[in-house]
Amino acid sequence: EDKVVQSPLSLVVHEGDTVTLNCSYEVTNFRSLLWYKQEKKAPTFLFMLTSSGIEKKSGRLSSILDKKELFSILNITATQTGDSAIYLCAAYWGADGLTFGKGTHLIIQP
Amino acid sequence: DAGVTQSPTHLIKTRGQQVTLRCSPKSGHDTVSWYQQALGQGPQFIFQYYEEEERQRGNFPDRFSGHQFPNYSSELNVNALLLGDSALYLCASSLEASRVTEAFFGQGTRLTVV
Repeated sequence: EDKVVQSPLSLVVHEGDTVTLNCSYEVTNFRSLLWYKQEKKAPTFLFMLTSSGIEKKSGRLSSILDKKELFSILNITATQTGDSAIYLCAAYWGADGLTFGKGTHLIIQP
Repeated sequence: DAGVTQSPTHLIKTRGQQVTLRCSPKSGHDTVSWYQQALGQGPQFIFQYYEEEERQRGNFPDRFSGHQFPNYSSELNVNALLLGDSALYLCASSLEASRVTEAFFGQGTRLTVV
């Protein structure tokens, strides 16, 4: 059975800290790995990773994929209270559905 | 440019009833996927519609059915509602032609079954 496992499930840090969120996957016919941020309802797209070892960056967020070890990390530097959200990792398995992990609930304290 | 819109935003139904949820995809998108997100869980893939046909289905019973219209909008129907069907139902749209997996999500419909 395909699965995506995220860790930690919850994390509380102080503003300004750097956090690393983890995502491992076992998905048949893996094509790409996606990260989403979910604040209230609609998950919003952050990154799509297809190639191993190539870091993608967007401001204070960055992500990388390791296709050999079957995992990805999402880094957030200089965290702000607005970064508080659930971060979802999803694997795209080529049949047009996304397999999501349970998410990491990140809380940034002032 | 309107993004993905879903209606209604909230809904309360009684066990055994039937419900219909609606989704309008982002302008230019032709593919609609539906997901169920229970509290504390990640979204789970229900099914996907393209060219008015169900193309792929997740591990959900036949009580869950759908439809896609010529204008690419979609409906999700759930029959014989169970308490366990209470969840946030998310619709995501994408563009089939480019095989983009950057799906855009709507705000969801919060369904409560009592």
